[in-house]
Amino acid sequence: ETGVTQSPTHLIKTRGQQVTLRCSSQSGHNTVSWYQQALGQGPQFIFQYYREEENGRGNFPPRFSGLQFPNYSSELNVNALELDDSALYLCASSLGGVGPADRFFGPGTRLTVL
Amino acid sequence: GENVEQHPSTLSVQEGDSAVIKCTYSDSASNYFPWYKQELGKRPQLIIDIRSNVGEKKDQRIAVTLNKTAKHFSLHITETQPEDSAVYFCAATRPSGTYKYIFGTGTRLKVLA
Repeated sequence: ETGVTQSPTHLIKTRGQQVTLRCSSQSGHNTVSWYQQALGQGPQFIFQYYREEENGRGNFPPRFSGLQFPNYSSELNVNALELDDSALYLCASSLGGVGPADRFFGPGTRLTVL
Repeated sequence: GENVEQHPSTLSVQEGDSAVIKCTYSDSASNYFPWYKQELGKRPQLIIDIRSNVGEKKDQRIAVTLNKTAKHFSLHITETQPEDSAVYFCAATRPSGTYKYIFGTGTRLKVLA
């Protein structure tokens, strides 16, 4: 098992609400990337944080935002939730700045939007 | 834009047989190709990876081949076992500050005992 943890495990929200998901990266890793995995699909890249700065973003609207803290843990915030936001949200930590380093995924947060 | 196609979407094999999953990528600058195994309700786990300067890599029953000219890469599992049953994802990434992964849509492998 990797040292990457996520909370909460499951979450149920209603349309229009806001949600914050959390990720603790593996010890020694300074990069966290977030992915959205809809049912039956591959993970889709949302964005990535390297040393507290966003250094890449996928095709997701601005209501998806994030933070990385000095201890390299990270948050994903989603505002104005829509039904299509229902998915498994995965974070992955890695050691950035050294090339395509292995991504170690957390167990994910399953978000259901009603 | 960047895209990774993965085939087949489902694959059933008899225990002991081989399984092959194929991926095609669109970004010719891609240089790293990991494969992940995801069991039901669990996190994706890296099982093997290959870099663009290598044509083939093997780890026990698992091997990956890369054809840069055709922009294809494949996962080969030999002597399949029931515990190999899972969803497998290929991914590709290009040399950039982000190294974001572009994932395929997944292959559900069922190994029949």
